[in-house]
Amino acid sequence: EVQLVESGGGLVQPGGSLKLSCAASGFTFSGSAIHWVRQCSGKGLEWVGRIRSKGNNYATAYAASVQGRFTISRDDSDNTAYLQMNSLKTEDTAVYYCATPDRTWGQGTLVTVSS
Amino acid sequence: SYELTQPPSVSVSPGQTARITCSGDQLPRQYAYWYQQKPGQAPVLVIYKDTERPSGIPERFSGSSSGTTVALTISGVQAEDEADYYCQSLDSSGVCWVFGGGTKLTVL
Repeated sequence: EVQLVESGGGLVQPGGSLKLSCAASGFTFSGSAIHWVRQCSGKGLEWVGRIRSKGNNYATAYAASVQGRFTISRDDSDNTAYLQMNSLKTEDTAVYYCATPDRTWGQGTLVTVSS
Repeated sequence: SYELTQPPSVSVSPGQTARITCSGDQLPRQYAYWYQQKPGQAPVLVIYKDTERPSGIPERFSGSSSGTTVALTISGVQAEDEADYYCQSLDSSGVCWVFGGGTKLTVL
């Protein structure tokens, strides 16, 4: 069974940093891209970015709203993807999900940016 | 930036048919995906590549495509189908996921 488990969420002050993890199982992680999507409370879904596989040079792409502040990486030996978030703003407060290209999603982890 | 447009809400009585539309200029060139999201839960894929249904999704869920509009149809709506539904596709670069604003389906 394909499974994604996010972790690392929590409360952080504006301007701070946080690193989220996405642990994968049940599929060939190394050959798969991983996407990150976020959802503010009571609001819609927003794509954050993605990282492709080694075969695609670990190419990354980001939404304009996070470009330059967020970085996606991966460790294929540990079947884990990461979302490093820097210079956080209150508007980054959301549940963050990771997802596979075939649209399997994790359960999400909550990030709250507040002083 | 590229947008997908959905109606904010759709209401139907149990047993009726619900149709939720999603419009976008790139839809003739990019596949659409549909998600169901219930409160406090992660989105669940119900339709992929415009018309395909994942295993485990009831047959009453179907997808269609015509030009710049795609649609999710739920035949014989049940109370358990009450949820938010999101369409998703790709922008013109084929890289970035784009989501519609979501449609709240109410079963009267």
